[in-house]
Amino acid sequence: NAGVTQTPKFQVLKTGQSMTLQCAQDMNHEYMSWYRQDPGMGLRLIHYSVGAGITDQGEVPNGYNVSRSTTEDFPLRLLSAAPSQTSVYFCASSYSFMIDSIYGYTFGSGTRLTVV
Amino acid sequence: AQSVTQPDIHITVSEGASLELRCNYSYGATPYLFWYVQSPGQGLQLLLKYFSGDTLVQGIKGFEAEFKRSQSSFNLRKPSVHWSDAAEYFCAVGVTNNNDMRFGAGTRLTVKP
Repeated sequence: NAGVTQTPKFQVLKTGQSMTLQCAQDMNHEYMSWYRQDPGMGLRLIHYSVGAGITDQGEVPNGYNVSRSTTEDFPLRLLSAAPSQTSVYFCASSYSFMIDSIYGYTFGSGTRLTVV
Repeated sequence: AQSVTQPDIHITVSEGASLELRCNYSYGATPYLFWYVQSPGQGLQLLLKYFSGDTLVQGIKGFEAEFKRSQSSFNLRKPSVHWSDAAEYFCAVGVTNNNDMRFGAGTRLTVKP
């Protein structure tokens, strides 16, 4: 089925480890983004991309890196995991990067990350 | 910067009862407003959105929302709640030509039989 696929669904890391959260979409969407969801804080934008080769920072980018080498993939890298990065991470994509696009965002089902 | 407040962390309603979830935003210009629903273990699904025009917006699953500029509100309503509506609901505000969409903290809805 077409959509946004996130892997893994669950992950436990030790402090200082690095890892990459994968996000792939098969809808030929130009816009992709990463959010983290924490209790009582809603979703906060980490990084986003408006097309292959173009990325930019969101509200909470520190400790995370992204790249967009293809339209389909938008991986999120944790360089040195910290307990403060324990969260649920969502990837989203959209046909258009314009906030008023009629197409809206399609969200993946999330990755639950625990850093111990 | 824009912000969104959802005053109710948790609401419980009986099946068949009406529902209103509150959302207040802070932004100087006309905002773009959204309501999303998140079922347990799932990503977010768009319920409805307001960009301009008619201030009463119809969405999927029988939901509607009304934009009230004077009150800076965008409350979500449903006349008769079904057990399958139990989920977490997020209000979000976006800025023109900007990808900075801010989400509220969410309201968890429990539906009693």
